[in-house]
This record gives sequence, C-alpha cells and structure tokens, in this order.
Amino acid sequence: GAVVSQHPSWVICKSGTSVKIECRSLDFQATTMFWYRQFPKQSLMLMATSNEGSKATYEQGVEKDKFLINHASLTLSTLTVTSAHPEDSSFYICSVPPGTSGTYEQYFGPGTRLTVT
Amino acid sequence: AQTVTQSQPEMSVQEAETVTLSCTYDTSESDYYLFWYKQPPSRQMILVIRQEAYKQQNATENRFSVNFQKAAKSFSLKISDSQLGDAAMYFCAYRRTGGFSRLTFGEGTQLTVNP
Repeated sequence: GAVVSQHPSWVICKSGTSVKIECRSLDFQATTMFWYRQFPKQSLMLMATSNEGSKATYEQGVEKDKFLINHASLTLSTLTVTSAHPEDSSFYICSVPPGTSGTYEQYFGPGTRLTVT
Repeated sequence: AQTVTQSQPEMSVQEAETVTLSCTYDTSESDYYLFWYKQPPSRQMILVIRQEAYKQQNATENRFSVNFQKAAKSFSLKISDSQLGDAAMYFCAYRRTGGFSRLTFGEGTQLTVNP
C-alpha cells in the first residue's frame, strides 16, 4: 500500500490565489520531507527540504516567500503556493528520505498536478 | 556538487528485446548509492534497482540489471525481455550515504516499447 500520500491529486486555481498541498507519511514518522517540482517532460527538481519543528531549507532560486512550507507534525508537511501564477503550473511531488523509514529507499507521494489559470 | 547525466532523451525497443539506458555521474564521494527510478504515465515514482558504491557486484532485479563502473562513474540499466509495461520515463539518481540525504536526478530517458 501507499507509504506517502498527497492531497489533492489535482488542483486548478485562479491566478493570484493561494493553494495548499498536503503530504502525509502514512507508515512512519518523518522528521524530514523533500518537495520536488517537475515540469512536463523534465526531471524532478528539489525545491526544499521540510524539517519538522523548524524552518524549511530552500534550494537556490526557489522563492521561500512564495512557496511556504510547514512541517507541523511528524506525519504531515504542507506546501502552500502563494499568489500563484500560470508559470507555477507544474507537478509537485513530496518524498520521505530513507533515514526516517529505516530503509535505504526514498518513498514518493503520488504527486499533485497544479494548474493555474 | 553531485551531477547526474542521462544523454539519451528517448529510446525505443521492440517487445521481448533488450535495451540499455546510459547514465554518468560526478561525485567526489567514495561511498554513495545509485538508483534507477521508473515514472510511468501515472507519474508515481517507482524504484527499479539500486546499487551501493562499495559493492563491486552489479545489482540485478529480475529482468533489470545494471553495469556499474565506479572508476568511469558510469551506471547503465539493462532491461531484458522488454515488456509493454516497461514503457515509461526512467531516471538515474544519486544519493550520498546518510539517511537524510537528497536524491539528485538525471534528466530522464523516455523509453518506448514497440509491440
């Protein structure tokens, strides 16, 4: 069964509005989660590392004020895209690194397709 | 910084034939992990195979095997007896040892399997 879930799987929002994406670790506690963005026919690019109880670490070039990350519990991390614009339309994937699962495997959520109109 | 390069944006193979996907990487680390992930149209990332750098023996998982050349920093994936369900985007990925390390992905290779 799924180890990591994401909600919603697909969201459409109007330009200028904000949208929240949830990532849940179902089978184990996750002190760290990764957020990736994937544009069509491209690779996964790491946006930020979410840390439970502390601030997220953002990759170079990612606007932390636009992509708000909150890791409020050991099973839930949220990514909020604020003031979304059409260029933010993408596929967002969260992932739990192996250190928290006790295995080498990194578990991926099913992804969230964001369309900004 | 670590980099992963996949030089084949697209590959195709006939059903039941064998295909090899190429991957090279760059790192200054001596111990690390390498992975091949499959992303089908559903876009769910699926682990295909992994290789620990300290192991000389090439990893094998059923029809999937790798050719790991540490000195050359090369990590290719061979798919034998290709099936229609193998059609997907394949990503090569690198990760340092350490449980919280991130994955660094290559650009991906889109594999088409022809009936």
